[in-house]
Amino acid sequence: ETGVTQTPRHLVMGMTNKKSLKCEQHLGHNAMYWYKQSAKKPLELMFVYNFKEQTENNSVPSRFSPECPNSSHLFLHLHTLQPEDSALYLCASSLSPGTGGQETQYFGPGTRLLVL
Amino acid sequence: AQTVTQSQPEMSVQEAETVTLSCTYDTSESDYYLFWYKQPPSRQMILVIRQEAYKQQNATENRFSVNFQKAAKSFSLKISDSQLGDAAMYFCAYYSGAGSYQLTFGKGTKLSVIP
Repeated sequence: ETGVTQTPRHLVMGMTNKKSLKCEQHLGHNAMYWYKQSAKKPLELMFVYNFKEQTENNSVPSRFSPECPNSSHLFLHLHTLQPEDSALYLCASSLSPGTGGQETQYFGPGTRLLVL
Repeated sequence: AQTVTQSQPEMSVQEAETVTLSCTYDTSESDYYLFWYKQPPSRQMILVIRQEAYKQQNATENRFSVNFQKAAKSFSLKISDSQLGDAAMYFCAYYSGAGSYQLTFGKGTKLSVIP
């Protein structure tokens, strides 16, 4: 298994659908992240989890709902999305702050989301 | 707030030649980390190289090296002996760790390698 995996790789959904993105890391890390990557814009940090606790929420709309059941898994639950939410969603993981090395994040391949 | 600027949206290089990608950043911190990530068309964001601000020596990873100028807040990436597989988007990123876990990214530079 590669370090950080994401499923599905592609997702098309209507504005009334409910779907979930999954991320799994096999690196022994305890911090996990969701990023949004839109065309022509820098990556935007959405959420940070450290030891399953959410430590950052960068003013993300409530139609995005993260869940971190354990240090290896991270979900992003989606409901009533808008077309402007279409983007590449990247998951990343790192060591936890205070342990040294937490500054280096390792990314998954991303989920390409299209909202119709 | 920290910002990262990549002033070259696109660049091209002849195979086997050398190319330098530019990155500048703005911060009031004295201790931080800088990164270059590569994102090929397959989309996987791959760490290329990292630099600790407290280290004066420039980081090197095989054909990839950086020119870190702390006073000028400049962090350029040099790719030597360019290969077709180097074609990708390259992102410069900054991390301070001071109260935030956030990596701040630039908008990226699209590098094309000409055979």
